[in-house]
Amino acid sequence: GAVVSQHPSRVICKSGTSVKIECRSLDFQATTMFWYRQFPKQSLMLMATSNEGSKATYEQGVEKDKFLINHASLTLSTLTVTSAHPEDSSFYICSAREGKGRGGYTFGSGTRLTVV
Amino acid sequence: GENVGLHLPTLSVQEGDNSIINCAYSNSASDYFIWYKQESGKGPQFIIDIRSNMDKRQGQRVTVLLNKTVKHLSLQIAATQPGDSAVYFCAEGYSSASKIIFGSGTRLSIRP
Repeated sequence: GAVVSQHPSRVICKSGTSVKIECRSLDFQATTMFWYRQFPKQSLMLMATSNEGSKATYEQGVEKDKFLINHASLTLSTLTVTSAHPEDSSFYICSAREGKGRGGYTFGSGTRLTVV
Repeated sequence: GENVGLHLPTLSVQEGDNSIINCAYSNSASDYFIWYKQESGKGPQFIIDIRSNMDKRQGQRVTVLLNKTVKHLSLQIAATQPGDSAVYFCAEGYSSASKIIFGSGTRLSIRP
């Protein structure tokens, strides 16, 4: 079945630094990927839709200059949290649309970001 | 934006009993609905989906019911097992957009 690999699974960074999270579709091509953020005991909130070869589409209230998304190939999307602050600490999850069974969306295992 | 919400934030069920998890959605344009299971520290896992041209769909031990009149979705889990303990989310999407939006989630706990 479709597999999405997300890396790293955990990262701790200092306040003010930038962190890059990778999302790879391993056995299929994904023209569209999605980035979600999830705070403890809350739901997944869609941050942006990542489109291969074009600019990402950000949801209302998400700062595009702070959360940089690059989807340079059909199997890789990256999310860079720039100038991270403690309030950016969260669980970040990507998904890729592969348009077939299992709902058509495959999710990564998530990245736990802690900013200290 | 549109929001998908849930009636019950937590649900405790006796092992072996059936579980029913509810979800209300507000976007009448939504035509595709998915139920996900999320275990602690992991990404969502697909359970079952349903399109708006159906009102019921069954899988292995799970059934999804869709009532478009009242914009209500439910997930029924038969013979609940300890491994069913998790947070369950419904998500909605519509044909004109590729994204899906998640509801607020229900935590299912199983009593032995």
